[in-house]
Amino acid sequence: TQLLEQSPQFLSIQEGENLTVYCNSSSVFSSLQWYRQEPGEGPVLLVTVVTGGEVKKLKRLTFQFGDARKDSSLHITAAQPGDTGLYLCAGAPVKTSYDKVIFGPGTSLSVIP
Amino acid sequence: DAGITQSPRHKVTETGTPVTLRCHQTENHRYMYWYRQDPGHGLRLIHYSYGVKDTDKGEVSDGYSVSRSKTEDFLLTLESATSSQTSVYFCAISEPRFTQYFGPGTRLTVL
Repeated sequence: TQLLEQSPQFLSIQEGENLTVYCNSSSVFSSLQWYRQEPGEGPVLLVTVVTGGEVKKLKRLTFQFGDARKDSSLHITAAQPGDTGLYLCAGAPVKTSYDKVIFGPGTSLSVIP
Repeated sequence: DAGITQSPRHKVTETGTPVTLRCHQTENHRYMYWYRQDPGHGLRLIHYSYGVKDTDKGEVSDGYSVSRSKTEDFLLTLESATSSQTSVYFCAISEPRFTQYFGPGTRLTVL
């Protein structure tokens, strides 16, 4: 079974702090996505990373894909209450023969004003 | 906005009754998916479709069936609902490849 693990599972921080969320697997992925989900809504795509070692920035969010394409991280600088939500990583294993991805269990982030 | 709607948005039903959830998309995407989301398990794939009348099972397909008679509609049926199927169900499309856009979800409670 191909699995994506995320850590930490829960994170509660004060507004203005920095944080990093991790996504790890023993499998190699052809691409990896990060989503944010707010209560009562579906996940919304934040970014897709494709190349090993790739770094993408989206305002205060920095995403990195590991060199071996087995892991990824999401770093948030100066967190704001609007960053609160469930962060999901998802990936398509290299040997997937059809358009199917697997999802990690998520990191629930709470940013306290 | 990928133009995905789900109906109903909320449903309460009793054990043993059949339930059908509908996913509708407006942009002719080929791939459509049904997931369930439960605390501690994340999103798990139930079934997916890669074209009209072309469907396949995901990791948690037992107790569920699907149909896709038109490109825009993907139906998920629980033939005889059980309490373990209480969950939030999400439909998604894939475009471009591996990037998924989700509907708003259906909250199903089986009593």
